[in-house]
Amino acid sequence: DAGVTQSPTHLIKTRGQQVTLRCSPKSGHDTVSWYQQALGQGPQFIFQYYEEEERQRGNFPDRFSGHQFPNYSSELNVNALLLGDSALYLCASSFGRVVEKLFFGSGTQLSVL
Amino acid sequence: SQQGEEDPQALSIQEGENATMNCSYKTSINNLQWYRQNSGRGLVHLILIRSNEREKHSGRLRVTLDTSKKSSSLLITASRAADTASYFCATDGGFKTIFGAGTRLFVKA
Repeated sequence: DAGVTQSPTHLIKTRGQQVTLRCSPKSGHDTVSWYQQALGQGPQFIFQYYEEEERQRGNFPDRFSGHQFPNYSSELNVNALLLGDSALYLCASSFGRVVEKLFFGSGTQLSVL
Repeated sequence: SQQGEEDPQALSIQEGENATMNCSYKTSINNLQWYRQNSGRGLVHLILIRSNEREKHSGRLRVTLDTSKKSSSLLITASRAADTASYFCATDGGFKTIFGAGTRLFVKA
């Protein structure tokens, strides 16, 4: 039973570029949440997808967008990268309308130079 | 914005000692969870306590919740070097889960 998988594990980009991060949820899960974690900080909620719709969004600019596919996998896109976007991006999956226990992937470490 | 605030920010103890971490939050909750993170990897769910519960145990973990004070504590008994990690409390906020800044625990062998 595969857990949450994220790709790539590491990524280096330059300012102004665009990046796409991918996430496959744990088998049987239908909800995907994305988080940004800066070094030494707690994860910050970006948005959550359920039934292919963005269900809730955190305090992130429109440069951050996402998508959920019919197989429940998800993508996070960030446009016009800034140095401050450098962080660990975490995907978490869960099951059902009520989100309680989250299962996390190992994350994508994004460095913006 | 962060709902939970953990205290202390960092904690260093000897193997075999108990470790206590505290979490305070601002708004009413349905449940509170604790997660663990090793070296910047993914978080692992440890325990969930509901707003109508006061205490919960799981192995060497003991969690308490005081909704009148909007606070929770996580106790790890008989700590081991392998318990070295960051610990986060998390509360529900609509559909999302909101994390605090975490307590960094270092257990010396």
